Amino acid sequence: GAVVSQHPSWVICKSGTSVKIECRSLDFQATTMFWYRQFPKQSLMLMATSNEGSKATYEQGVEKDKFLINHASLTLSTLTVTSAHPEDSSFYICSAGPGRSDQPQHFGDGTRLSIL
Amino acid sequence: RKEVEQDPGPFNVPEGATVAFNCTYSNSASQSFFWYRQDCRKEPKLLMSVYSSGNEDGRFTAQLNRASQYISLLIRDSKLSDSATYLCVVISTGGGNKLTFGTGTQLKVEL
Repeated sequence: GAVVSQHPSWVICKSGTSVKIECRSLDFQATTMFWYRQFPKQSLMLMATSNEGSKATYEQGVEKDKFLINHASLTLSTLTVTSAHPEDSSFYICSAGPGRSDQPQHFGDGTRLSIL
Repeated sequence: RKEVEQDPGPFNVPEGATVAFNCTYSNSASQSFFWYRQDCRKEPKLLMSVYSSGNEDGRFTAQLNRASQYISLLIRDSKLSDSATYLCVVISTGGGNKLTFGTGTQLKVEL
């Protein structure tokens, strides 16, 4: 069964809307979770590292005010795409792992965001 | 130079063929290596970890060459269901559990 749950799976909304995506670890606590974005026919690109109880770390070129990350508990991280525009349409995926740095990450099912 | 590089393909092979993918990484401090499989419009799923001694899981064999900084994936007796994109993933020291992905190699297995 899934160890990382991500919701919603699909979002279609109008330009200017803010969209919140949730990522939950089901079987373990995750002090760190990761958010990725994937455009068609491209690889996953890390957007930010979500840290429980502290500020997220954003990768170069990712606007922190545009993509708000909150990691309020050891099992939940949220990504809010604020005032979304068509160019934000993408596949957003979160990942989390039980903690050891040599262990693979578990991925959520991903959220397909389409901004009209 | 990208931190993790793969030939994007596509590799079109007949069913039953043996196919190999390579992946190179630039950070010599990389410590953990994985192959993930991603089906179209789906999330990546772990295929196998890659160990220095090489490891095998059924029809899949993974190898790591630290000296040359590359990893490989060999698929024997390929099935139609093996058609997917195969992502090479590296974890480097100092990055927590942050994964760095290759661009992926697309495999198409045909009748």
